Amino acid sequence: KAGVTQTPRYLIKTRGQQVTLSCSPISGHRSVSWYQQTPGQGLQFLFEYFSETQRNKGNFPGRFSGRQFSNSRSEMNVSTLELGDSALYLCASMGASGDTSTDTQYFGPGTRLTVL
Amino acid sequence: GESVGLHLPTLSVQEGDNSIINCAYSNSASDYFIWYKQESGKGPQFIIDIRSNMDKRQGQRVTVLLNKTVKHLSLQIAATQPGDSAVYFCAEALGNQFYFGTGTSLTVIP
Repeated sequence: KAGVTQTPRYLIKTRGQQVTLSCSPISGHRSVSWYQQTPGQGLQFLFEYFSETQRNKGNFPGRFSGRQFSNSRSEMNVSTLELGDSALYLCASMGASGDTSTDTQYFGPGTRLTVL
Repeated sequence: GESVGLHLPTLSVQEGDNSIINCAYSNSASDYFIWYKQESGKGPQFIIDIRSNMDKRQGQRVTVLLNKTVKHLSLQIAATQPGDSAVYFCAEALGNQFYFGTGTSLTVIP
């Protein structure tokens, strides 16, 4: 079974631009979570989607948004980019039930975003 | 919010020795725990997990111990190899959401 895939793997943008990142979960998984990882920081939770609905949300500004499609693929959008948005953005998927009592979470390779 | 803390930010071990990486979690209601390994430039890789109804689980060269009394989790790596050099994260699950610590960087000395 293929793992979680993310595109693009690397991205360079300038301040003020917007960016869209894509994530394809493991086949059959319906939960997709997004995380931001920066040097010296742990994984910061952005949001989680399950069956096309945002189920959980972290403490990020409204410039960060996401969505999930009927095939469970998810996109994350960041508008009006700031220098501090430079980070590794990780996507993780969880199984068909989206329930941690039965499923586990697997990560993709991440998208490295650099904002100049 | 939840916090998952790691006792040591860095750990160096000699090749062939056993490694122990520790983690403290804050919420006694957390019922599921995962250890991840992250190599430079890659996403976190699932290593082993444990549910709160267990106190020990073994995998290939890895063992996770859970002490619910003191809310402590540890990862033991047997016969540590150079390929084990990475950052290790523990995560706790609560309400279908995961909370991560900042990670411990393990360096294996040949």
